[in-house]
Amino acid sequence: DAKTTQPPSMDCAEGRAANLPCNHSTISGNEYVYWYRQIHSQGPQYIIHGLKNNETNEMASLIITEDRKSSTLILPHATLRDTAVYYCIVRPSNTGNQFYFGTGTSLTVIP
Amino acid sequence: GAVVSQHPSRVICKSGTSVKIECRSLDFQATTMFWYRQFPKQSLMLMATSNEGSKATYEQGVEKDKFLINHASLTLSTLTVTSAHPEDSSFYICSAPSRNTIYFGEGSWLTVV
Repeated sequence: DAKTTQPPSMDCAEGRAANLPCNHSTISGNEYVYWYRQIHSQGPQYIIHGLKNNETNEMASLIITEDRKSSTLILPHATLRDTAVYYCIVRPSNTGNQFYFGTGTSLTVIP
Repeated sequence: GAVVSQHPSRVICKSGTSVKIECRSLDFQATTMFWYRQFPKQSLMLMATSNEGSKATYEQGVEKDKFLINHASLTLSTLTVTSAHPEDSSFYICSAPSRNTIYFGEGSWLTVV
């Protein structure tokens, strides 16, 4: 019950912005959008999350559409180390709730 | 962010034996922790929710007698794979919530031979 849809794979040139889309058309009002990434053979790494406003941190920016049915994770200047599987997850704000992972987007940054 | 640590990172065990994987929250307390399993080239699959002071909650299709979970304290949860078989070989990952998000451990590779 992942509730999100992401493209299975994307390529991005090194130094360019990587824009990773996510569709969450059934998102509820109390659900946040979270982004994680998983580099091969490691545990998922938290990137960013938001409710309805756009968010930015040192790793990425998160753009959420006004109707909240989709979002885009932006890595402003992709590097080879950003090659990973990126997961978009929706989850209620209650911290007792777990994450259900979808299939994610495998991003390959090309030199 | 908060730190979650797993041990061991890699373990090989013989078929029929049991193996324990530990998950610790290093700088915060976690009344709840989550255990996932990941097969090669697949996504993470939630196995169970570990609850401090009470029984774990297992996802549908996960055998609770095979995957024993004990949440002994506010910083430690353990997953014991009992009577392991080669098909239990997988990447096991734990996570814990802290301040409105969830942090993941580094994962533990289990190989059953």
